[in-house]
Amino acid sequence: AQTVTQSQPEMSVQEAETVTLSCTYDTSESDYYLFWYKQPPSRQMILVIRQEAYKQQNATENRFSVNFQKAAKSFSLKISDSQLGDAAMYFCAYRRFTSGTYKYIFGTGTRLKVLA
Amino acid sequence: ETGVTQTPRHLVMGMTNKKSLKCEQHLGHNAMYWYKQSAKKPLELMFVYNFKEQTENNSVPSRFSPECPNSSHLFLHLHTLQPEDSALYLCASKEAGGSYEQYFGPGTRLTVT
Repeated sequence: AQTVTQSQPEMSVQEAETVTLSCTYDTSESDYYLFWYKQPPSRQMILVIRQEAYKQQNATENRFSVNFQKAAKSFSLKISDSQLGDAAMYFCAYRRFTSGTYKYIFGTGTRLKVLA
Repeated sequence: ETGVTQTPRHLVMGMTNKKSLKCEQHLGHNAMYWYKQSAKKPLELMFVYNFKEQTENNSVPSRFSPECPNSSHLFLHLHTLQPEDSALYLCASKEAGGSYEQYFGPGTRLTVT
């Protein structure tokens, strides 16, 4: 069975600095997607970035980038130039397609605090 | 605006009550999901509907009963709940196809007393 592990329950970063959130996953499949979602205190879960497993190039979205290491089953999120609005829970997720349905498996999350 | 709305945002109910959670998506998606989010636990997938047909029931107790009358609406009927069912219940929708992503609603905070 697929599992997603986020080993950092909480992280802090100074405003304008860079922080990296860790995620590892376990799967025997070769084709899958990985995601980082952000959940601010308002509770709205928002997609931050995604990575397709067959693409070797790391995904980038403005200040957000990933370090995808397929062999190591690692998928970390780097936030550059951190802003106060980045404070939120961040969830790593794995998506698989089975029985005609896309299913998402989430980690336990990392709470990111941004210090002014 | 999220495109996925959930009502109510907060709900307090006794163990003998019957209530329903509602989710509506305005995005033209054809897959809808119910998740349970408890503190310090991963989001738990509960149910998935594709084109109004249930395609996933992740061993959810029968006191939770989903209903999907059309691709835009999803309900979660609740009855005889337990205090451990208190959680944030999130709805999400998705267009068919691997290149499309889930969009989440704001959730319903449920407290069972």
